[in-house]
Amino acid sequence: GQSLEQPSEVTAVEGAIVQINCTYQTSGFYGLSWYQQHDGGAPTFLSYNALDGLEETGRFSSFLSRSDSYGYLLLQELQMKDSASYFCAVKYRDDKIIFGKGTRLHILP
Amino acid sequence: KAGVTQTPRYLIKTRGQQVTLSCSPISGHRSVSWYQQTPGQGLQFLFEYFSETQRNKGNFPGRFSGRQFSNSRSEMNVSTLELGDSALYLCASSLGTGVGNEQFFGPGTRLTVL
Repeated sequence: GQSLEQPSEVTAVEGAIVQINCTYQTSGFYGLSWYQQHDGGAPTFLSYNALDGLEETGRFSSFLSRSDSYGYLLLQELQMKDSASYFCAVKYRDDKIIFGKGTRLHILP
Repeated sequence: KAGVTQTPRYLIKTRGQQVTLSCSPISGHRSVSWYQQTPGQGLQFLFEYFSETQRNKGNFPGRFSGRQFSNSRSEMNVSTLELGDSALYLCASSLGTGVGNEQFFGPGTRLTVL
């Protein structure tokens, strides 16, 4: 089946950089997205990668390597408000979208 | 432009009952997807509708069903509720299934089954 792997929790210090990895099954892969979800809130879209390389949007960047079936979300200059869960999601060619179980990011002052 | 709206926001039901949840997508969006979110399983895909047709379905029993209307609004129904159906049900809309991958989520309906 189609499944994604991402760490369940990551802890980092305010002002630092953190990387959240996501590995997926290659068959039928179309694109990789990242979503942020604060406690009690709805997921919000952060980025989308369909081609290899780095996409940068402000303090957040997302990377994709199709040959390695791997991507990551990079958060720089961490702020306390970045404490949230981060989900990777893969869209497959049959149009199904599979979400990872999420990575809980804890930020220490 | 108004975001995705879901009603009701909270719902309490008992086992064996049935429930209908509603989702209004962003104006112009024709694709609506439904997800179940629980602490242990994360976000699990239920089904997707596009132009009133179900395009994809996740691995949920037949008790879970949905439909989409001509104005793109969507409803999902769960019959014969079980305790394990307690979850946050999220709907997400997008322009179309073949356009990128950005989905806009509603605030969700928190369903509690007693």
